[in-house]
Amino acid sequence: NAGVTQTPKFRILKIGQSMTLQCTQDMNHNYMYWYRQDPGMGLKLIYYSVGAGITDKGEVPNGYNVSRSTTEDFPLRLELAAPSQTSVYFCASSLSLALADTQYFGPGTRLTVL
Amino acid sequence: TQLLEQSPQFLSIQEGENLTVYCNSSSVFSSLQWYRQEPGEGPVLLVTVVTGGEVKKLKRLTFQFGDARKDSSLHITAAQPGDTGLYLCAGPSSNTGKLIFGQGTTLQVKP
Repeated sequence: NAGVTQTPKFRILKIGQSMTLQCTQDMNHNYMYWYRQDPGMGLKLIYYSVGAGITDKGEVPNGYNVSRSTTEDFPLRLELAAPSQTSVYFCASSLSLALADTQYFGPGTRLTVL
Repeated sequence: TQLLEQSPQFLSIQEGENLTVYCNSSSVFSSLQWYRQEPGEGPVLLVTVVTGGEVKKLKRLTFQFGDARKDSSLHITAAQPGDTGLYLCAGPSSNTGKLIFGQGTTLQVKP
C-alpha cells in the first residue's frame, strides 16, 4: 500500500513550457486534491475531485487544469508555465469530505519556472 | 473570508524546552486539524479536534481547541530534535467545506 505517489519529485521549466504533474493513490479514495505551498503561505487548494469524471476549482485555479478519468489518478496540467507557478505542489486524497476526515498527502513536486 | 493565523512563524529552541504554537481565527470552525510536515515530505495529520474546549494528547504533544472554536494551541513538552518540522493547522471552510490552512510554524529543536 503505497498511499499517494507523485512524479516527478523535481522539475525545472522554462517560461511558456507545459508539463503534467502525476498523482496516483491506491487507497480507493473518492476525493482527491491539488495544493500548492509557497514559503510562509501555507497550502492553497488549486483543484479537487469528488470522483472519477468530476472536478472543481479551488482557491487558486488560474493557469492549471485537471482531469480525473479513474479513481486512482488525478494529474495536474500546467499549460503555459509562468514564474508565479514556482512552488511545491502536493496531491492529497481522502475517503470522504467529512469534517474530521484525514487527508493523505503525497511527497510533493518541487517546480521551478525560469 | 475565513483565515487561520499561526504564531510564531519560526521557533528555534534547545532540546528539553517546552513550547506552544497558536492557531487563531476571527471565525468559528467546526473542527481544526494539526499537521506536521518534515522537509521534502507532505504533511501528516497529527490530530483533529471537534469540540470546543477539547484537549487531546499525543505523547508529549497536547492539543487544545478553544471554547469558542475560534482558536487552537499545540503544546510540546520536553521537545526533541525529532519534533523539528513545519506545523500546520487547518480547518474546513464554512462555505466550501474544503480545508483552509494556516501559514505554518517552523520549529527547530537543537540537540
